[in-house]
Amino acid sequence: NAGVTQTPKFQVLKTGQSMTLQCAQDMNHNSMYWYRQDPGMGLRLIYYSASEGTTDKGEVPNGYNVSRLNKREFSLRLESAAPSQTSVYFCASNRDRGNQPQHFGDGTRLSIL
Amino acid sequence: QKEVEQNSGPLSVPEGAIASLNCTYSDRVSQSFFWYRQYSGKSPELIMSIYSNGDKEDGRFTAQLNKASQYVSLLIRDSQPSDSATYLCAVKVGNNAGNMLTFGGGTRLMVKP
Repeated sequence: NAGVTQTPKFQVLKTGQSMTLQCAQDMNHNSMYWYRQDPGMGLRLIYYSASEGTTDKGEVPNGYNVSRLNKREFSLRLESAAPSQTSVYFCASNRDRGNQPQHFGDGTRLSIL
Repeated sequence: QKEVEQNSGPLSVPEGAIASLNCTYSDRVSQSFFWYRQYSGKSPELIMSIYSNGDKEDGRFTAQLNKASQYVSLLIRDSQPSDSATYLCAVKVGNNAGNMLTFGGGTRLMVKP
């Protein structure tokens, strides 16, 4: 049972480059989330998708875009990477009904030079 | 004021002792409360959930919820060096339509042999 799978696990970019972080879950969850985690800042929500076809901004959406490709997949795109986006990115998912915990992927460690 | 607050620590306890981790939240209508453990360089892992006032025990872990005082705590009995990690408190704040969680900044626990 894979759970939540993120790719890539590590990436180094130059300022101004673009890239897409991929996330897929096999738990038939409706809701999916993208977080970034910086030292001393905890987990901050970038974007979320409550269901297929819908996306909404979280706490720190600037500089990012997302696509909910289907029920399984939720991607995060950096159009023009900046050093301030150096972080660890986590994707998570959960059921959209009831008081359900979120399940996390292993994370993507992104460095922007 | 942050919605979910934790002491960043580090909290240092000797092996075999009880570790007590605390979390306060600001929204009185919060419904669901979760504790995640995060080892260095790893993703958050759910260890406990609690929804009602009182105590909930699972092995060496006990979660305590007091909605009147707006705090939730995690007790770890017979602490082991392998419990050394950062513990994240997460709260479903208010009546958000989805299952979004707000995370505290985490408490770093160090268990010394």
